[in-house]
Amino acid sequence: DTGVSQDPRHKITKRGQNVTFRCDPISEHNRLYWYRQTLGQGPEFLTYFQNEAQLEKSRLLSDRFSAERPKGSFSTLEIQRTEQGDSAMYLCASSLVSGADTQYFGPGTRLTVL
Amino acid sequence: EDQVTQSPEALRLQEGESSSLNCSYTVSGLRGLFWYRQDPGKGPEFLFTLYSAGEEKEKERLKATLTKKESFLHITAPKPEDSATYLCAVQANNFNKFYFGSGTKLNVKP
Repeated sequence: DTGVSQDPRHKITKRGQNVTFRCDPISEHNRLYWYRQTLGQGPEFLTYFQNEAQLEKSRLLSDRFSAERPKGSFSTLEIQRTEQGDSAMYLCASSLVSGADTQYFGPGTRLTVL
Repeated sequence: EDQVTQSPEALRLQEGESSSLNCSYTVSGLRGLFWYRQDPGKGPEFLFTLYSAGEEKEKERLKATLTKKESFLHITAPKPEDSATYLCAVQANNFNKFYFGSGTKLNVKP
């Protein structure tokens, strides 16, 4: 068990560019979550997958954001036409479906939009 | 509306000075309450899961308790390495996502 990994750890981009982040969950976990965290706040839910199916999206997630989990393993989060307000830490978490849905987090990707 | 409020926002303690952090929640059917520790620039690290009122969990200097309206994270004789932000999250019965509080930033001075 190597834990949840995310790539890249840091991304600096110019406003209007597209960015893509990758998350590799704990191998036997079938649920995968994306959160966004800004300074001084707790993580805010964006979307989650069970296997390859995207089951819920936050109403806060604009149509510039899209996430995929094509084979039920790793996931990607893409942000199109980035804005300065997108600057944040993007966190991925995974869990095993059971009564104890404890989510384990990766190290995060820090996005800075100039 | 489901909501999580943590207090205080920040807490400064001397090494060895015990204290408690509070997490108040309103949720339509609690599936679980979770405590995490987060160091600057890192992802949250799992500490405890609590499921029902009256439940308690312990790990080293930390003890988490749960009532029907709130949870406490008790820190006994803290050390400087306990300095971090402590996050509380709840999971409702009808949703799988977590609702997080804004955290308590703990600073333990030697």
